[in-house]
Amino acid sequence: DAKTTQPTSMDCAEGRAANLPCNHSTISGNEYVYWYRQIHSQGPQYIIHGLKNNETNEMASLIITEDRKSSTLILPHATLRDTAVYYCIVRVDTSGTYKYIFGTGTRLKVLA
Amino acid sequence: EPEVTQTPSHQVTQMGQEVILRCVPISNHLYFYWYRQILGQKVEFLVSFYNNEISEKSEIFDDQFSVERPDGSNFTLKIRSTKLEDSAMYFCASKGQPQETQYFGPGTRLLVL
Repeated sequence: DAKTTQPTSMDCAEGRAANLPCNHSTISGNEYVYWYRQIHSQGPQYIIHGLKNNETNEMASLIITEDRKSSTLILPHATLRDTAVYYCIVRVDTSGTYKYIFGTGTRLKVLA
Repeated sequence: EPEVTQTPSHQVTQMGQEVILRCVPISNHLYFYWYRQILGQKVEFLVSFYNNEISEKSEIFDDQFSVERPDGSNFTLKIRSTKLEDSAMYFCASKGQPQETQYFGPGTRLLVL
């Protein structure tokens, strides 16, 4: 089972920041949080990941709470092309596989 | 930018037929994965593969499924005798080192009639 819970859907106005929350209260100390998105039925696209520090790249920022039980993905200036399903994933290490267990994700709709 | 590619993009087959889905991982990646997504449902892990052997497989990955790296570039998923419930998008993913990010291909949409 997925170790994450996310809201089913969210709307965001174009040009505004989109803040997507994720709860992962059972995360272990060495487990990373990854964010991917899926546009229509395309392959999941990597966005960002982190362990305990906040992270930023050209796509987004990731804010992880100090207790690591939740995180927020921030798209600073959402565009219509950011409309997608966003998955928060805790990477699980079993036998060195580091597989991903996907949850149901948040369907983000960016509105014009 | 290097990317994972998959062929075919769409495959229609009759129940009971064998299908082979092909993936070309990113060059110099060593870890390979197959996931599937039934229409409207979550992405599900099927199998991981490293050093020419399966490192982990899910309950979904039963005896009807097999994976192979037949040469230095391709990674294949074979379904021996397809069932209606095998209809799904199948995604291949690869990564270079154990703790690196997985990169996904565009998927193959399989429809079993």
